Amino acid sequence: QIQLLQSAHELTRPGASVRVSCKASGYTLSTYGITWVRQGASQGLEWMGWISGYTGNTNYAPTFQGRVTLSRDPSTNTAFLEVARLTSDDTAVYYCARDGFDLWGQGTRVTVSA
Amino acid sequence: FTLTQPHSVSEFPGGTVTISCARSSGSIGTDYVQWLQQRPGSAPSTVIYNDDSRPSGVPGRFSGSVDSSSNSASLTISELHSDDEADYYCLSYDDNNRAVFGGGTQVTVL
Repeated sequence: QIQLLQSAHELTRPGASVRVSCKASGYTLSTYGITWVRQGASQGLEWMGWISGYTGNTNYAPTFQGRVTLSRDPSTNTAFLEVARLTSDDTAVYYCARDGFDLWGQGTRVTVSA
Repeated sequence: FTLTQPHSVSEFPGGTVTISCARSSGSIGTDYVQWLQQRPGSAPSTVIYNDDSRPSGVPGRFSGSVDSSSNSASLTISELHSDDEADYYCLSYDDNNRAVFGGGTQVTVL
């Protein structure tokens, strides 16, 4: 079954970092890129960035440049999103999606609270 | 550029709704427009890609179009069903290959 499986929900503190994983199942990660999108409570979708599954090249939204790092591990078929210097504004559901948005992960809720 | 959608639309079962997605600058034809459906509590899924193509499994009641004269794209849902009730987002890409999302439209089936 072709799917993207994301890591469990996270509760973390302001100023900390969080790492979310997105494991591809049923296909080889290197054949497609992965996009990361987030959605605040009762908010719309926000594009964060993209990573090539083949080369690891990245493209970040200006809003997140310098604070977000995308990476991937071909050996485990997994892509990663790391967000540093978290604030309460980063509380959201984070999604990974395959190129073309034809396949989505189930979402990972990240809550930033003191 | 930004993509502007109406906040909400509503219609009775069996009716037709059309959701617009207006591009603020640059031509709507510069890059393809895609439409996503997001039901409450679920991840989004694609209902239209490449302006007017439907993925397999999406009913023919969903159609997409682009109008250069109004510089906008539209999603039309006909024969409205109760399970069409969801948020719908348009998206396209800027010159740096970064996705731009519309603000989303809530579709209510009365």
